[in-house]
Amino acid sequence: DTAVSQTPKYLVTQMGNDKSIKCEQNLGHDTMYWYKQDSKKFLKIMFSYNNKELIINETVPNRFSPKSPDKAHLNLHINSLELGDSAVYFCASSQELDTQYFGPGTRLTVL
Amino acid sequence: AQSVTQLGSHVSVSEGALVLLRCNYSSSVPPYLFWYVQYPNQGLQLLLKYTSAATLVKGINGFEAEFKKSETSFHLTKPSAHMSDAAEYFCAVSDGGSNYKLTFGKGTLLTVNP
Repeated sequence: DTAVSQTPKYLVTQMGNDKSIKCEQNLGHDTMYWYKQDSKKFLKIMFSYNNKELIINETVPNRFSPKSPDKAHLNLHINSLELGDSAVYFCASSQELDTQYFGPGTRLTVL
Repeated sequence: AQSVTQLGSHVSVSEGALVLLRCNYSSSVPPYLFWYVQYPNQGLQLLLKYTSAATLVKGINGFEAEFKKSETSFHLTKPSAHMSDAAEYFCAVSDGGSNYKLTFGKGTLLTVNP
């Protein structure tokens, strides 16, 4: 009964490729987020959607494009992957401004 | 803008000893404050949160934190460390519920020695 799930858990790819990470939550929340955790464990918000509407976009390169087909899903598509994109990407969800619940993370390695 | 400073990137304690992880925040409005724990290769799990109610907040696994406005602090404590407490701990702030953005500190790695 995973609350926030992400696929895949691991993603290894070559520079220049395009890849997607999927996130689903079964908590009935109306807000979802993407965070990036770098090699030093620093967590930074990238995007947030509330009721499928983009509400936070934190100076992320245009190569990153979030898509929310419905309130329970928030996918992250990354074009032209670069070495610096290697990180762990976390999805999270919340009900309005309440506590954010995190997924298990997707470890992206760009070679 | 809000920010969080966690003093000490690495804290090491003996099993049974007091755990104290420090967090100071900066916020222009009354903040909401959170402590999350991350076990190796896992996501973040909420330990506790302060949302302008009682200043002493109790969380899971015996942890608690006290909000001190005069010191802009929200330190995390546990009276007696267990081996299973070894993990990375993150303090985070949001601006009092008016913004969806959660700003994290850089984390403190807690190791527990037998």
